[in-house]
Amino acid sequence: DTGVSQDPRHKITKRGQNVTFRCDPISEHNRLYWYRQTLGQGPEFLTYFQNEAQLEKSRLLSDRFSAERPKGSFSTLEIQRTEQGDSAMYLCASSETSGVSYNEQFFGPGTRLTVL
Amino acid sequence: AQKVTQAQTEISVVEKEDVTLDCVYETRDTTYYLFWYKQPPSGELVFLIRRNSFDEQNEISGRYSWNFQKSTSSFNFTITASQVVDSAVYFCALSEFGAGNMLTFGGGTRLMVKP
Repeated sequence: DTGVSQDPRHKITKRGQNVTFRCDPISEHNRLYWYRQTLGQGPEFLTYFQNEAQLEKSRLLSDRFSAERPKGSFSTLEIQRTEQGDSAMYLCASSETSGVSYNEQFFGPGTRLTVL
Repeated sequence: AQKVTQAQTEISVVEKEDVTLDCVYETRDTTYYLFWYKQPPSGELVFLIRRNSFDEQNEISGRYSWNFQKSTSSFNFTITASQVVDSAVYFCALSEFGAGNMLTFGGGTRLMVKP
């Protein structure tokens, strides 16, 4: 299967702990996106990378959140000092870039975070 | 700022009924893209369709059809002869040209198709 993969699929943590999620995009895709989806809501954009460069960050991405894509392949999303409000599904997506045309984003299965 | 509104939070139909999911969007750009995604209970978002702002032709794919009307800023999705397997949450989304392909999603419509 060469789709977008995310690890772990589920994470339960206590408030105040740090967590890190990993996303492996489709291999030829140079754009990688992170979204957050809370219960009953649509996904909200957090940040995206083109290769290793982080090109955009949402206001939702507080100082406790950091994302990296060091070699332009997989990406990690770290949340420090987790709060109960961080409980959500964290979705990763990837896409190609080709000139000015739009390229579909393919989504991974998500990591469900529960902060107790 | 871009915004997508799906006013119907939940719809319940009986199998074989037709159902239309509404989507209204706001954007200041003249070039943009509209999408529908399906999120089944498994949770993974499945891409259904993309339309660009210059193409208002309606599209049909099997039991699915989409009606794009710029005059009313709407991009509605109709499922004909619904099936139980269509039960899912459906999201409409918008991406402005040049915005790095970032998607702005609506709140979703939960469709329940009963046998």
